[in-house]
Amino acid sequence: GAVVSQHPSRVICKSGTSVKIECRSLDFQATTMFWYRQFPKQSLMLMATSNEGSKATYEQGVEKDKFLINHASLTLSTLTVTSAHPEDSSFYICSASTRRGRSDTQYFGPGTRLTVL
Amino acid sequence: QKEVEQDPGPLSVPEGAIVSLNCTYSNSAFQYFMWYRQYSRKGPELLMYTYSSGNKEDGRFTAQVDKSSKYISLFIRDSQPSDSATYLCAVQSSFAGGTSYGKLTFGQGTILTVHP
Repeated sequence: GAVVSQHPSRVICKSGTSVKIECRSLDFQATTMFWYRQFPKQSLMLMATSNEGSKATYEQGVEKDKFLINHASLTLSTLTVTSAHPEDSSFYICSASTRRGRSDTQYFGPGTRLTVL
Repeated sequence: QKEVEQDPGPLSVPEGAIVSLNCTYSNSAFQYFMWYRQYSRKGPELLMYTYSSGNKEDGRFTAQVDKSSKYISLFIRDSQPSDSATYLCAVQSSFAGGTSYGKLTFGQGTILTVHP
């Protein structure tokens, strides 16, 4: 149980284009979904938190107009990187959380590797 | 000072060795503790989840929490080459209804290599 999928797993795009990444919780309804970014040999950096039907909460320094998050249902969240540039190239990982006792446990997707040429 | 400190390693051990991975945290508000394993180019996988001081065992893995010293550990017994990965500790504050969204704070991750 607690499987999270991401699509696509890998994407290469030209500078200036927009890229959409989907995150789905397959066998549970997620109370919250999170989007992270990870550079090589570094830990995960939280970009934003989203709850179904409400606006995402972005971490300090993350441009909300650059990284658009839509949380359409309890099992689907999307991250759109708008007007992507080479510096946006990174590994993007989503997670979905479900209540476990009194805390929320996060289960991670397999990640999406974005390369912007 | 970072909220969670973790030695990035790298750590290299022979097959069969006992591995000890450690993290310290600074905020006593953190009440829940996790260990994730991340293989190269993959998403993190939840290994262990604890919320109280003491030990929790699952197969070859033992998670240990000492809230008084704000110290968490993961022990791997009889380590295998397939255990080679990056291990991330994560901490979480108490869930507080709708005002908390269960944000995780991660350590830097320790790169572990188990060689045959």
